[in-house]
Amino acid sequence: SQQGEEDPQALSIQEGENATMNCSYKTSINNLQWYRQNSGRGLVHLILIRSNEREKHSGRLRVTLDTSKKSSSLLITASRAADTASYFCATTQGGSEKLVFGKGMKLTVNP
Amino acid sequence: SAVISQKPSRDICQRGTSLTIQCQVDSQVTMMFWYRQQPGQSLTLIATANQGSEATYESGFVIDKFPISRPNLTFSTLTVSNMSPEDSSIYLCSVERAAGNSGYTFGSGTRLTVV
Repeated sequence: SQQGEEDPQALSIQEGENATMNCSYKTSINNLQWYRQNSGRGLVHLILIRSNEREKHSGRLRVTLDTSKKSSSLLITASRAADTASYFCATTQGGSEKLVFGKGMKLTVNP
Repeated sequence: SAVISQKPSRDICQRGTSLTIQCQVDSQVTMMFWYRQQPGQSLTLIATANQGSEATYESGFVIDKFPISRPNLTFSTLTVSNMSPEDSSIYLCSVERAAGNSGYTFGSGTRLTVV
């Protein structure tokens, strides 16, 4: 079953602009993770934020988590054409290590 | 973090046949996860494979259709049996990146087309 839902489903921007993707989930979580997938290949782990954290940074990535609203956002600053990919949020819940994925969002960065 | 080698990267198979997908990890891991990604969709967990015990399947997936082997702590296979066109998907394996719940590493995926 899918837990998260990314918003928007698709986003097209120009190189240099910022891209914001939102994720909502339904149940209590241990942590929330963001992944990137290029052209139907394997997923690459981008960043993990734990349920007791509110904001985290990694390079050009900034992720926020609002557990009261059961939502998270991923901001990519100064986007590049190479950021063109599908992005997924995923959560772990309770004592389980299983990842539950959202529907994904396709980002296109135009040069 | 762990590195996974997944084979084959793609295959085109006849309906009614079976395909076995392999994942080799460069370190010992307790659990390996197998996912299916149908065209244009997100990932759905098929099963969790623990070494020394039978795999645990998610709702909607059965062992007869997706038998899994886990002979040691670095290797696992997923077989897609008696394939039909509806099995056309990307199949991915995954393990923890490192101990301590720091996210997951994925294999590069197997793109399966059933004709």
